[in-house]
Amino acid sequence: DTGVSQNPRHKITKRGQNVTFRCDPISEHNRLYWYRQTLGQGPEFLTYFQNEAQLEKSRLLSDRFSAERPKGSFSTLEIQRTEQGDSAMYLCASSPGGQGNEKLFFGSGTQLSVL
Amino acid sequence: DAKTTQPPSMDCAEGRAANLPCNHSTISGNEYVYWYRQIHSQGPQYIIHGLKNNETNEMASLIITEDRKSSTLILPHATLRDTAVYYCIVRVAFTGTASKLTFGTGTRLQVTL
Repeated sequence: DTGVSQNPRHKITKRGQNVTFRCDPISEHNRLYWYRQTLGQGPEFLTYFQNEAQLEKSRLLSDRFSAERPKGSFSTLEIQRTEQGDSAMYLCASSPGGQGNEKLFFGSGTQLSVL
Repeated sequence: DAKTTQPPSMDCAEGRAANLPCNHSTISGNEYVYWYRQIHSQGPQYIIHGLKNNETNEMASLIITEDRKSSTLILPHATLRDTAVYYCIVRVAFTGTASKLTFGTGTRLQVTL
């Protein structure tokens, strides 16, 4: 069990640029989640995958955001035309699924700074 | 999911028990209480969860009142490494749904020498 891995750990970009983050979940975890966390706040749910299917998206996920999990393993989160308000920690989590009360395993996140 | 209320911050001396309260007065009968913590610059870490019975694991104990309207997370012998933000979360759990957790702002626990 190597844990949930997220890359890069830090990303600095200029407003208007596109950025992509990667998440590698714990192997054999079929559920994968993306959260966003701003300074002083708790993480906020963005979206969730069951295997390769994206089953739920938050209203926080605007049209500029897209997430994929093409083979049901790793996932990418892309932000197009970044804005300063997108600056945040982007967290990925995975869980084995199967029961409604399973625990989530989080990665260390990608810290995005939009200048 | 039911809303939770936690104190914004608490201090605890190293080696003493840390008792972190959480109020969830609108909790429903099928909602679990979860606790996660987040150490600086890391993602949240699962600690413990329970429905109505008290629970204990290698990290902590969870005490849920009989009416289930509040709970307390107990770290029996706090160390400096327990300094973190602790989140109390209440959510419905039933087979087939995903564990979409709704985090509040949590309690910032500072363990001191």
